[in-house]
Amino acid sequence: AQSVAQPEDQVNVAEGNPLTVKCTYSVSGNPYLFWYVQYPNRGLQFLLKYITGDNLVKGSYGFEAEFNKSQTSFHLKKPSALVSDSALYFCAVRGYGNNRLAFGKGNQVVVIP
Amino acid sequence: DAGVTQSPTHLIKTRGQQVTLRCSPKSGHDTVSWYQQALGQGPQFIFQYYEEEERQRGNFPDRFSGHQFPNYSSELNVNALLLGDSALYLCASSSDQQETQYFGPGTRLLVL
Repeated sequence: AQSVAQPEDQVNVAEGNPLTVKCTYSVSGNPYLFWYVQYPNRGLQFLLKYITGDNLVKGSYGFEAEFNKSQTSFHLKKPSALVSDSALYFCAVRGYGNNRLAFGKGNQVVVIP
Repeated sequence: DAGVTQSPTHLIKTRGQQVTLRCSPKSGHDTVSWYQQALGQGPQFIFQYYEEEERQRGNFPDRFSGHQFPNYSSELNVNALLLGDSALYLCASSSDQQETQYFGPGTRLLVL
């Protein structure tokens, strides 16, 4: 079985402050990890992924994520949040050879001007 | 280069009816996956199609069926609709050689 936990329902951050959205996962074997963002009434937009290699991966719009195998975590980060980053963020995982993405329940990020 | 497209954008049906949703994958992609996203939840995997065959299926009843055409586009069919089928249905496409699934804007289905 594969699963993702996103422990916080909502993350509030002031504009210009660092943003962190937490994700822990469970999967057999090596994980393929993804972050997506969803704006209201829209589909999911791909931000970044970890497959192998460097534990710190960089993605779109200044976002990055750090893979930590010992803690089974893949937290999303942005050094300086913008009001336009306010959206719903989903972490997803799949195991090698498994085509199904398992998503967390999502984190609502609110960036306060 | 067009991304993943889905039609229709919105749909209203009544209980017991049948519905067909459509998806065109991103150019160069040959694999289509369908997900159901209930309000306030993360997407749940329904099934994936590759080479016109259902390759993997999630925990959904047989009322949910699909098809993939030779041009890689896909349909999701749901029979005997229930109120609980009301959700955003997302299509995602990928290349069998790549790991990333790219999502369409979704079809919002309301069952009354």
